[in-house]
Amino acid sequence: DAGVIQSPRHEVTEMGQEVTLRCKPISGHNSLFWYRQTMMRGLELLIYFNNNVPIDDSGMPEDRFSAKMPNASFSTLKIQPSEPRDSAVYFCASRRGQNTEAFFGQGTRLTVV
Amino acid sequence: DAKTTQPTSMDCAEGRAANLPCNHSTISGNEYVYWYRQIHSQGPQYIIHGLKNNETNEMASLIITEDRKSSTLILPHATLRDTAVYYCIVSLPFSGGYNKLIFGAGTRLAVHP
Repeated sequence: DAGVIQSPRHEVTEMGQEVTLRCKPISGHNSLFWYRQTMMRGLELLIYFNNNVPIDDSGMPEDRFSAKMPNASFSTLKIQPSEPRDSAVYFCASRRGQNTEAFFGQGTRLTVV
Repeated sequence: DAKTTQPTSMDCAEGRAANLPCNHSTISGNEYVYWYRQIHSQGPQYIIHGLKNNETNEMASLIITEDRKSSTLILPHATLRDTAVYYCIVSLPFSGGYNKLIFGAGTRLAVHP
């Protein structure tokens, strides 16, 4: 398996623009997570999907952030409108079951100018 | 919030064993202990996890105390490539039987020649 695949790897956008980050989980995994990492706040869990359903979105910072999982092999994280403080590395992770290891993608480095 | 306490940083000589401690005094009976590491800006990499018994795999060993209030990750023969931030995580359960992985600040391990 190719692992968790995220795209794009790097994104530079202007403030106010819409940004969409994409994630393809490992085949057969039924849980998917979106994390955000900054120097100030470390790794923060944004949202958790199980069987394509959002289970916990308490980490989503604002209404500007939204996440979807239309099927088991694809998820998106959208920021609209983007702001400079959204600049971070966004990671997607997936796992099979509950008490198992989660595998992370290589992340998307977002820069909002 | 993370439920673990780790030293901020540690050093280890190449070829020696690296022993990374973690305190999780509030752990509950059905909560697992996970260890991940993050090398530079890559995605976190799963190392090992366990519930009660000690665990070993090709990467490391996990020693969990009998009262489960602390654990130690052991890298038996550290190499320069093991320089990374190591995260000890206790799965955080919430309603519905799900659990999520909340990262703390981790331990920055420096392996030197």
